[in-house]
Amino acid sequence: GQQVMQIPQYQHVQEGEDFTTYCNSSTTLSNIQWYKQRPGGHPVFLIQLVKSGEVKKQKRLTFQFGEAKKNSSLHITATQTTDVGTYFCAGRTGTASKLTFGTGTRLQVTL
Amino acid sequence: NAGVMQNPRHLVRRRGQEARLRCSPMKGHSHVYWYRQLPEEGLKFMVYLQKENIIDESGMPKERFSAEFPKEGPSILRIQQVVRGDSAAYFCASSPVKGVQLGTEAFFGQGTRLTVV
Repeated sequence: GQQVMQIPQYQHVQEGEDFTTYCNSSTTLSNIQWYKQRPGGHPVFLIQLVKSGEVKKQKRLTFQFGEAKKNSSLHITATQTTDVGTYFCAGRTGTASKLTFGTGTRLQVTL
Repeated sequence: NAGVMQNPRHLVRRRGQEARLRCSPMKGHSHVYWYRQLPEEGLKFMVYLQKENIIDESGMPKERFSAEFPKEGPSILRIQQVVRGDSAAYFCASSPVKGVQLGTEAFFGQGTRLTVV
């Protein structure tokens, strides 16, 4: 079955440093979404990418969808303590409606 | 427009009892997904339902677990004869009809934390 892996599993940065998480799918994706889950909370949608090579920005967050539509990345510039949480990518294949979530990257930010 | 509502937020069951988890999707959403999350782990897909239909249950354990989404009322995830390994957070998400084809976002509820003692 489809597998979606993320690296790193965990990253601890100091406030102001940059952070990147990478998402890799075993199969080609029709689209990819990113979610953020705060400790003790529920996943909250951040963004969706559909086109090959697409890049989208949200303030300090930059999302990229690979040319082959099998990988994606999320980059945060100048992290803040409010960025703490686990970041998940989630992908769909073909016309399948099921969202398969990645393994997640837990980000810890300290002052 | 209320978000996805799940109840109860916390549920404690003894081994062998039944657990019933409820999910009311957002207004206008007719698609419901259930995910399980073990502590410090990712979200594992369990089942995808539309009103009165199970569309994809490839992530559901073969025994003890069942799900429904009746014409009226919330979606129910039912776990019979719970065991300690069932302890987890169970999240429900909903999306509108168009979301299935266009791949729009899934809106998550706050989850039910099930503890089996």
